[in-house]
Amino acid sequence: NAGVTQTPKFRVLKTGQSMTLLCAQDMNHEYMYWYRQDPGMGLRLIHYSVGEGTTAKGEVPDGYNVSRLKKQNFLLGLESAAPSQTSVYFCASSYSSTREAFFGQGTRLTVV
Amino acid sequence: GESVGLHLPTLSVQEGDNSIINCAYSNSASDYFIWYKQESGKGPQFIIDIRSNMDKRQGQRVTVLLNKTVKHLSLQIAATQPGDSAVYFCADPGFQKLVFGTGTRLLVSP
Repeated sequence: NAGVTQTPKFRVLKTGQSMTLLCAQDMNHEYMYWYRQDPGMGLRLIHYSVGEGTTAKGEVPDGYNVSRLKKQNFLLGLESAAPSQTSVYFCASSYSSTREAFFGQGTRLTVV
Repeated sequence: GESVGLHLPTLSVQEGDNSIINCAYSNSASDYFIWYKQESGKGPQFIIDIRSNMDKRQGQRVTVLLNKTVKHLSLQIAATQPGDSAVYFCADPGFQKLVFGTGTRLLVSP
């Protein structure tokens, strides 16, 4: 049972480049989340989804887009990367808002 | 808006001591809270949760206390071990958003 898998684990981008981070879960969870974590800070919610085909903005959505075309996948896109988006990105999923969330191992993104 | 905050950024304890990590929340309608542990280089892991119809919940070496009157949570770790060194977050999944506080770094010295 893989749980929550994030791809890739590391990436270096040049300013202005685009990329997509993939999150896959095999637990049949409805809820999925994308967070970023900067040094010395907590987890900040970027976007989330409460079911297939739905997405919603979190605390820091600017510069990111998401899609949830399939229940098991939640994609995070950066259309034009900026150095301020250098961070560690975590994906999580949960059965519902009253159950614990399970996290992936993170994607370390550096924008130069 | 909703917020979940932590009083102290770092807590240093000696091995064998009991640790207490505190968390304040602002949304009086919140009815479910989760504590996570994040070790260096890893994603957060679930430790224990508590619902608002409880004041206390115990797990293995951990206890969470909830004071709804003052909107305060605490995580107590008994007989703290070096393996407990990590950042601890409280989280509020209310209103579908799973919001985290800044976190408290627990440092355990031998």
